[in-house]
Amino acid sequence: NAGVTQTPKFQVLKTGQSMTLQCAQDMNHNSMYWYRQDPGMGLRLIYYSASEGTTDKGEVPNGYNVSRLNKREFSLRLESAAPSQTSVYFCASSEVLGRYSTNEKLFFGSGTQLSVL
Amino acid sequence: DAKTTQPTSMDCAEGRAANLPCNHSTISGNEYVYWYRQIHSQGPQYIIHGLKNNETNEMASLIITEDRKSSTLILPHATLRDTAVYYCIVRVYNQGGKLIFGQGTELSVKP
Repeated sequence: NAGVTQTPKFQVLKTGQSMTLQCAQDMNHNSMYWYRQDPGMGLRLIYYSASEGTTDKGEVPNGYNVSRLNKREFSLRLESAAPSQTSVYFCASSEVLGRYSTNEKLFFGSGTQLSVL
Repeated sequence: DAKTTQPTSMDCAEGRAANLPCNHSTISGNEYVYWYRQIHSQGPQYIIHGLKNNETNEMASLIITEDRKSSTLILPHATLRDTAVYYCIVRVYNQGGKLIFGQGTELSVKP
């Protein structure tokens, strides 16, 4: 099982460049998420998508845009990269386990390490 | 989401039980308690979650106090491979998918 696949695994950008981080899941999950993790810190939610066609802001959305292209794919775009966006980015999808949407289990990708010079 | 408080770090001897506490004193009745861990720089891994009752699976046990204001994750026989950062998260009903991670507890299992 592939699970959650992120590409690329590593990327170096210059300030002002743009790029898109790709994420795909093959588990037929409705919800997908983008988190960033800075050294020595916990994960911070950037954006999430509760279902195909919907997206919403998390804790730190500034400087990012997202697209829920279809049920499988959720991409994160940096239009004009800044050094403050140097981080490890994780994509996740969730499986609802019961009647309520809060009863769920997240599956994470292996991360994209991004450096902005 | 209800705020959670965890110790920054803990040590545990290999083969002994690791008991990781979490305080969530503002938790509401329909909020689940989740535990995830992150080994080195890998993506976080789901461990266990619960609402009111104690839970056990192949990885761990979750003990939730009767008033639900705190919980403990128990790794019954810790191994060196359990060295990781452990996150306790409270998930709010009808909050549209936000799962907010805190700082977590860095568990070091020592030989």
